[in-house]
Amino acid sequence: QKEVEQDPGPLSVPEGAIVSLNCTYSNSAFQYFMWYRQYSRKGPELLMYTYSSGNKEDGRFTAQVDKSSKYISLFIRDSQPSDSATYLCAMRRSAAGNKLTFGGGTRVLVKP
Amino acid sequence: GAVVSQHPSWVICKSGTSVKIECRSLDFQATTMFWYRQFPKQSLMLMATSNEGSKATYEQGVEKDKFLINHASLTLSTLTVTSAHPEDSSFYICSARGLAGGSPYEQYFGPGTRLTVT
Repeated sequence: QKEVEQDPGPLSVPEGAIVSLNCTYSNSAFQYFMWYRQYSRKGPELLMYTYSSGNKEDGRFTAQVDKSSKYISLFIRDSQPSDSATYLCAMRRSAAGNKLTFGGGTRVLVKP
Repeated sequence: GAVVSQHPSWVICKSGTSVKIECRSLDFQATTMFWYRQFPKQSLMLMATSNEGSKATYEQGVEKDKFLINHASLTLSTLTVTSAHPEDSSFYICSARGLAGGSPYEQYFGPGTRLTVT
């Protein structure tokens, strides 16, 4: 079993809909959680990072962390075709820790 | 802020030759740089971690003599794939962490380099 599980998709939604993405993890030592967006043949772009359970909002993006359930989510409101990409969750054990553990990524298609 | 560049973006080389990939942090000092490998439709696999002025730390199963990493300055790291073979064809991505515009603990990724070995 992988440490971080993420549905590969594709997740297809109409423009303007809310995109809901999530990851589950098995290691309770993970304390810091990130979401990256990766366009085809490009490097990942950091979207959100959170350090504790709860919600964090940034523009159209909301990240949620539920450590008790080992479950994290990313919501994208008012989705646009330009949001079509692969979204990767990542996590690590400590603030200064080096190693990121990635989920496999979810491919999202936003149709105009 | 927190821009990382890679060069080249795409390279084709013949089997048995070596190829060097550069990773630069353009607007911040990267105390730590990371090299990843990504196969099509798969997630990123960490190859090695390097701190400026120190030897790189390789992940288990990664041949350090084949993938030479140098982190000579706070803005530049290089990955050299020596004696490349077709199975080394992949997408190589670097990331950097340091005194960036965002968090000092997060990794900021370069655009990647696609290596094709014929």
